Amino acid sequence: QLQLQESGPGLVNPSETLSLICNVSGGSISIRTDYWAWVRQPPGRGLEWMGSIHYSGGTYYNPYLLSRVTMSVDTSKNQFSLRLSSVTAADTAVYFCSRHTYSYGHYDDWGQGTLVTVSS
Amino acid sequence: QSALTQPPSASGSPGQSVTISCTGTSSDVGGYNYVSWYQQHPGKVPKLMIYEVSKRPSGVPDRFSGSKSGNTASLTVSGLQAEDEADYYCRSYAGSNNLGVFGGGTKLTVL
Repeated sequence: QLQLQESGPGLVNPSETLSLICNVSGGSISIRTDYWAWVRQPPGRGLEWMGSIHYSGGTYYNPYLLSRVTMSVDTSKNQFSLRLSSVTAADTAVYFCSRHTYSYGHYDDWGQGTLVTVSS
Repeated sequence: QSALTQPPSASGSPGQSVTISCTGTSSDVGGYNYVSWYQQHPGKVPKLMIYEVSKRPSGVPDRFSGSKSGNTASLTVSGLQAEDEADYYCRSYAGSNNLGVFGGGTKLTVL
């Protein structure tokens, strides 16, 4: 049973960089057909795909976040990470990590999500 | 941004059927058969209900069905039950530069 678990600070100051890690257990992150995504959800609002990464290092970012998002993968630790720069209160959200099969695929597995609040 | 348009709310009585629409463009919903639907109860993780327009994952009741016509995808819930009350989100592949666009979500109320 694949499990994903997000970790990182729950509070980030405005203008700083938000950093999260998703640890994958119960399976390998290095499956050729698998892609690893970050999806966020502001309080009381809908879901937003932020970006996806393949174990090979290939990245795909939401065009609206392209200038602020960076994703990376560490196959030795079976984890991938998210960095979102220059955050504002609008970036306050629950951040989920997820797995999808193929670049076009649906989200099969999800982490529990972690709330990140941007505030001074 | 919500690239796909969903009605903010939908409702039905137990046993009835309700259909939720998801309208996009020829660049997403209309261009690919990679539309999926997710159910989310308050404070919970989204759950995949339909993928590739009309396929159901193992364990999802056959009361849930999906379809697509042109740029609009639809989720139909038949034989409504109280536990179906939740938020529902559609999502579509939109090409190699935009792997996933979601709808704004529809709150389904079972009256």
